[in-house]
This record gives sequence, structure tokens and C-alpha cells, in this order.
Amino acid sequence: AQSVTQPDIHITVSEGASLELRCNYSYGATPYLFWYVQSPGQGLQLLLKYFSGDTLVQGIKGFEAEFKRSQSSFNLRKPSVHWSDAAEYFCAVGAHRSGYALNFGKGTSLLVTP
Amino acid sequence: GAGVSQSPRYKVAKRGQDVALRCDPISGHVSLFWYQQALGQGPEFLTYFQNEAQLDKSGLPSDRFFAERPEGSVSTLKIQRTQQEDSAVYLCASSPQMGSGANVLTFGAGSRLTVL
Repeated sequence: AQSVTQPDIHITVSEGASLELRCNYSYGATPYLFWYVQSPGQGLQLLLKYFSGDTLVQGIKGFEAEFKRSQSSFNLRKPSVHWSDAAEYFCAVGAHRSGYALNFGKGTSLLVTP
Repeated sequence: GAGVSQSPRYKVAKRGQDVALRCDPISGHVSLFWYQQALGQGPEFLTYFQNEAQLDKSGLPSDRFFAERPEGSVSTLKIQRTQQEDSAVYLCASSPQMGSGANVLTFGAGSRLTVL
């Protein structure tokens, strides 16, 4: 069965520290991979996506993610976190050549401390 | 419009009532999706429209849920005889591309439904 796992429900980092949010997926075919961010009371906003090519992708707000096929992972990183990055982060996977739905993980809640 | 607009933002219904949630996608967007997000969970797919055609309704949890997009723009998600388990945020998203797993979605802020 297709699945997306975000192992960390909550993460707390200090402002200025580096960040890595984990995402693992289980898909039968080459997936399309996304990271979305959701601030309280807001809709989801796309941070970045991976379809093919260079496995390190750059997104908005200084985020990047690396696709590792051998580990079935697509972890999100940021070198230096800002207080405004506090939000809920969702990894999502789309199927290649079939289906319309994105399969979302359960999310990781990021808290940034001074 | 500039973004995806959803209304109402908040809806409280008594169990057994019918509710209608509206989505106004970005003008010209071909694809429209509805997702359900329960508290503490990620969004779960409900249904997909390509213009006015509902091409996938596999995620609708029961026959109490019905969605339409009659003119290929505004969409309405209707829930009949609401139950407490229907309490969730209902997210609408649109995309300029034909539907696929590669769609980049623009989401609305959601309609939060609370069923008492």
C-alpha cells in the first residue's frame, strides 16, 4: 500500500539553528514529491517539489530537500531557522501516471524558540 | 480572483443537519480538488474535478457527501445528515494543469466544520 510517513510529530529548534524534517514514502513507482507548509488558519503553501533530475531541490523561504531513492526519503532542510518558520509541515506524494490524489503525511509541527 | 476562496470559514452544525461548503478557485484553473483534514492529521483526498466533470470521487467517505462544479468554476461540497465524525477542515485546491499526481496545488484557507 502507498504511504507517507513523517516520523516526528513535533520538533523544537532554536532560532538560527539548522532544521531537518524527515519524510519517508512507500510507493510502487517513481513518485512526485512535495513539501507544503501550513500556518494557523491558513491554507497549505507549496515550499518545493521534486519530479525528476537533480535530487537536491531548492524551494521558497530558504528551504531545500533531497530525494534519496535508496532510502525512500525526501527530507526537508533549512540552514538557519527564523521564528516565522513556526508552522505545520506536510510531506506529500503523488503517483506517477495514475491517480489524481496527493497522499499527505500526518505533518510535523515546528516550534521555534528564541 | 487572486487565490482560492472558501466560504464559510467556520460552520457549526447540529447532528443531522445538511451543510454546503463553497469553493471559488483561481480563475481559469482547470482542476479542482477537495480534501478533508481532521484535527492533527494530514489532508485526505475526497474528490477531483476537471472543469465540470467529476473524474474521481473515490475519497468521499459515504453517500452523504456530494460535490458538484456545474459550470467548471465554483464548486460546492454538500454533506447531508451531518455526523460528529464529519467535523474537520475541508480544504479546496485548484491547479491550472490537467489532473495528475504532479499537480501543483493552490489551497484555500479551508472551511472548518464542527458538528455538535
